[in-house]
Formats: sequence, structure tokens, C-alpha cells
Amino acid sequence: DGGITQSPKYLFRKEGQNVTLSCEQNLNHDAMYWYRQDPGQGLRLIYYSQIVNDFQKGDIAEGYSVSREKKESFPLTVTSAQKNPTAFYLCASSRRGRVDEQFFGPGTRLTVL
Amino acid sequence: RKEVEQDPGPFNVPEGATVAFNCTYSNSASQSFFWYRQDCRKEPKLLMSVYSSGNEDGRFTAQLNRASQYISLLIRDSKLSDSATYLCVVNPRGGKLIFGQGTELSVKP
Repeated sequence: DGGITQSPKYLFRKEGQNVTLSCEQNLNHDAMYWYRQDPGQGLRLIYYSQIVNDFQKGDIAEGYSVSREKKESFPLTVTSAQKNPTAFYLCASSRRGRVDEQFFGPGTRLTVL
Repeated sequence: RKEVEQDPGPFNVPEGATVAFNCTYSNSASQSFFWYRQDCRKEPKLLMSVYSSGNEDGRFTAQLNRASQYISLLIRDSKLSDSATYLCVVNPRGGKLIFGQGTELSVKP
């Protein structure tokens, strides 16, 4: 079955540690996205990538970094510079130019202690 | 002003009730509009797109008023399984989606 996987589902880290969240898709989509969701709020775009080896900052990129070395993979690193990293992180993908048809992964809930 | 604003929730309704959610958006050049459903602690899933002519999918009806920059979702004959958070989503151009904060619906027996 085609889809998007994110791992792990729950992640705990100590303050000051960098952590990398995994996102893999086998939908053959060119575009991939990372969002953050806080309680009672909508999704906010962190980074997006329209094609391999290229990515752009979203609305809240500070304290995060990404890479896009393979079409299938778009890992997100939450660095120690991110002031409030505890949140629900969602990865999505779409065909190129079809930002309106995004498919979401199940999400990773990150808690920084 | 937020780019996309929704009715604050939660909405608590009995089974069989009709419930309406409202949403406004600030960018008049926005191209496309959607309602997503998000179950607790899960990913959002597309419920339906919203067209200028209005569209219906079973018990769900979506309306768009471009002049007023307003989107609505009507759910008729509510079921327990409709309990979720409903997200209003706008594509304002520029390769990204803008999500509202969501309106929580709880349908009680």
C-alpha cells in the first residue's frame, strides 16, 4: 500500500538535545512538507520541498532544519535553538504543483522534558 | 488578523442535530478551499473541497462566498462518529496551505 510513514509515533528528549524526525513516502510524490500543530491551533508550515535537493522555509522555520537527498525521504531536525519544541509534527506529500492535494502521515508527538 | 479564522468551539450537539461551522479568510486572491477532519491525536484527512457553486456529499454541505470571504460546512443528522475537529483550509497561492485553528465537534447520544 502506498502511503506516508513517520517514526516514531511518540518521542521524548531532554532539553538541549537535537532530534531528527523521520518521514518517508512511497507515493512517488515530488513535494513534501513539514507542519507543526500545537493544542487548539491549526497546522503551521515549517519547511517544504518541491523537488529533491531543494527546500524552502515555511512560516516557522527558526530552530529547525531539513534535508531532501532522496525523493522518498524528508527528515526534520529539531535543534536546541527551537525555544518551544514540544508539539505534534506532521509530514505531508503531494504531486508537484498540487499543494491542494496533500496526504498526511500519522504524525510524531515530540515531548521535550 | 489571522489568515484563516474559524468559529471557536467546542460544539456539543445531540445525535441527529444539524450543526454549522463558519470560517473566514483574509486573502481575497485565495484560489481553493477545503474542509479537513482531524480525529483526536491523528493526522488531518480531507473531508471535502469547497466550490463557489456549493457542494454536497451525503450529510455534508459546503458553501463558499467569495465576496464575503466566508466558507461554511453544514452537517445534517449528526452521528456519534462525526465527533472530531474540523479544519478550514485555504490555498492563498504561493505553494502552501493555510489552516484554521479548527472547531471541535462532540456529538452526544
